[in-house]
Amino acid sequence: EIVLTQSPATLSLSPGERATLSCRASQSVYNFLAWYQQKPGQAPRLLIYDASKRAAGIPPRFSGSGSGTDFTLTINSLEPEDFAVYYCLQRSDWRRLTFGGGTKVDI
Amino acid sequence: QVQLVQSGPEVKKPGASVKVSCKTSGYVFIDYGINWVRQAPGQGLEWMGWISAYNGNTNSAQKFQGRLTMTTDTSTNTAYMELRSLRSDDTAVYYCARGDYGVNWGQGTLVTVSS
Repeated sequence: EIVLTQSPATLSLSPGERATLSCRASQSVYNFLAWYQQKPGQAPRLLIYDASKRAAGIPPRFSGSGSGTDFTLTINSLEPEDFAVYYCLQRSDWRRLTFGGGTKVDI
Repeated sequence: QVQLVQSGPEVKKPGASVKVSCKTSGYVFIDYGINWVRQAPGQGLEWMGWISAYNGNTNSAQKFQGRLTMTTDTSTNTAYMELRSLRSDDTAVYYCARGDYGVNWGQGTLVTVSS
């Protein structure tokens, strides 16, 4: 099973700052990586897929980068609605998808 | 617009089974697979499995093999997830999600396992 390790566990920032979230895979997942945002009481929302492609309707302040084992989600100029938990997901091993443990972005 | 509407909350006793439905609309059902993901209270997301709506092929996480059955009904564009031999640690919100990356999600179904 491919293990995804997200860091940091919590990121304390202010509106207008830049958030940089990391997701590291235990083996190469090529670019088969996605990022999700989840707010309390809501279903996750797809932000980024294939490591760097923004999903429909996602603002350009969200960007993804990386390949192989190291990936980054960057949120430029945090808006109040961006404070949430973020998860990465790999589907390189298409028979056994796995999520990272999550990063909470809070004020 | 694409919608995935899940069945309502369930309360089950240990050892019982639960079947959650995910009724879809707004897209061609057989063109996308359905992933099932769960989230225990206060915990992260856990992928359970995937089913092809085209041919019914499935993949599932090893920890659920033998307890998890995923099916689809192409006549009603609905996917189903059945989990058997429930334990207290199966208490979670269960989600269905469309496509390889889960571009659309259901609202979630809370399954509570308690004696």
